[in-house]
Amino acid sequence: DIQLTQSPSFLSASVGDRVTITCRASQDISTYLAWFQQNPGRAPKLLIYAASTLQGGVPSRFSGTGSGTEFTLTVTSLQPGDFATYYCQQFNSFPLTFGGGTKVEI
Amino acid sequence: DVQLVESEGGLVPPGGSLRLSCTASGFTLSIYAMYWVRQAPGKGLEWVSTLGGTDGTTYYADSVKGRFIISRDNAKNTLFLEMKSLRADDTAVYFCARHSGSGISRRLDAWGQGTLVTVSS
Repeated sequence: DIQLTQSPSFLSASVGDRVTITCRASQDISTYLAWFQQNPGRAPKLLIYAASTLQGGVPSRFSGTGSGTEFTLTVTSLQPGDFATYYCQQFNSFPLTFGGGTKVEI
Repeated sequence: DVQLVESEGGLVPPGGSLRLSCTASGFTLSIYAMYWVRQAPGKGLEWVSTLGGTDGTTYYADSVKGRFIISRDNAKNTLFLEMKSLRADDTAVYFCARHSGSGISRRLDAWGQGTLVTVSS
């Protein structure tokens, strides 16, 4: 199984900050990587797929980079609704796996 | 609008069974691969099962293989997850999700609201 390791697990930030989250894969997954945002009690929301493609309707302050085994999600100018937990997920092979999550809090 | 609505979960004793449903609107469920993903209380996301779109191939996580069955009713545009021999560690919010795209553009782009299944005596 492909393991995805996110760092950091927790991130303290303020409105207007730029934050970066890293996701490392245990083997090469090309760009078969997506990023999700999840607010408490809500379903995950797709932000980015194919490592860097912004899902429709997602603000451009979200961006993703990377390929192979190292990926990043960057949020420029954090907004109040961005304080949430973020997950990476790989589509390279079954079983589909998720990272452990990064909670972005004030 | 694309929407996925899951049935209510519930409290089930260990060893019991439960069937979850996920009704789609705004798209034809049968032409998409569909997923179940779960989230134990306070924990991360875990893939459970997949049902292929056109070919109907099924896939299961090792943790549920032999106990859970994924299926769909095309006429009702509804996805199901039949869960048997439930254990305490199956306690989670269960989400259904739609798979769109192909190749590197594969993505889970629509999710249900989630339904809580609690396995406890």
